[in-house]
Amino acid sequence: DTGVSQDPRHKITKRGQNVTFRCDPISEHNRLYWYRQTLGQGPEFLTYFQNEAQLEKSRLLSDRFSAERPKGSFSTLEIQRTEQGDSAMYLCASSTGTGVGEQYFGPGTRLTVT
Amino acid sequence: QKEVEQNSGPLSVPEGAIASLNCTYSDRVSQSFFWYRQYSGKSPELIMSIYSNGDKEDGRFTAQLNKASQYVSLLIRDSQPSDSATYLCAAQTGANNLFFGTGTRLTVIP
Repeated sequence: DTGVSQDPRHKITKRGQNVTFRCDPISEHNRLYWYRQTLGQGPEFLTYFQNEAQLEKSRLLSDRFSAERPKGSFSTLEIQRTEQGDSAMYLCASSTGTGVGEQYFGPGTRLTVT
Repeated sequence: QKEVEQNSGPLSVPEGAIASLNCTYSDRVSQSFFWYRQYSGKSPELIMSIYSNGDKEDGRFTAQLNKASQYVSLLIRDSQPSDSATYLCAAQTGANNLFFGTGTRLTVIP
C-alpha cells in the first residue's frame, strides 16, 4: 500500500496561466475526492468521483476548474486562467466504496499564483 | 450555522495530561464523523472514525459521539509533545463528501 500520491507537490504560476495537478489514489479505492485548503481553514470539498463517474461538484468549482478520472484510476484537476485567489493547497483523498468510507489524503499540491 | 464547528483554540496541555477536543455539527451532516491530525505544512492524517453513539477507543485516543446533542469529541490521554498539531473534525454527508471544521491547534508542553 503506497498511499495516495499527488504531483507536483509545489507549483508556482503566473496569473492567467493554466495548471494541471495529478492524483493517484490507493490502488483498491474506487472513490476519489478533491479538496482545497487555505491557511487557517479546514479542507473544502470540490468534487468527487466513483470510478470514472464524476458524481458531485461543489459550487466552489467554478467554470475555470475541471476534473477528470478517465479510466477510474488516476485523476487530474485543471485550473484555467488562474487567479491569485486560487492560491491554496489542493488535496486529493480516496476511499473504498464500502463501510464508513474513511478518506485518506495525499500529500497535497501547494499552488502559488503570482 | 456552519455544518461543523470547532473551537479554534489554541489549546495547551502539559505533557502526560488529557487533551479534550470538541466539535458540534448541524442537521445537514449526520452520518459518520472523523478526526484528522494535521501537522504544519502537511496533509490531514486520519486518526479515528465514529458513527454510533458512545465511545470508541484506539490506543491513547477516544472518540465520543452524542447524536442527541450533536457533538463529537476526541480525548488524547497521556499527551506527548509529538501530539502537537491541528486537529480537524469532519462530518460526512449522504453524498460522501466531508465537511471540515476550521481545526483546533493543540500544543503539548514538555
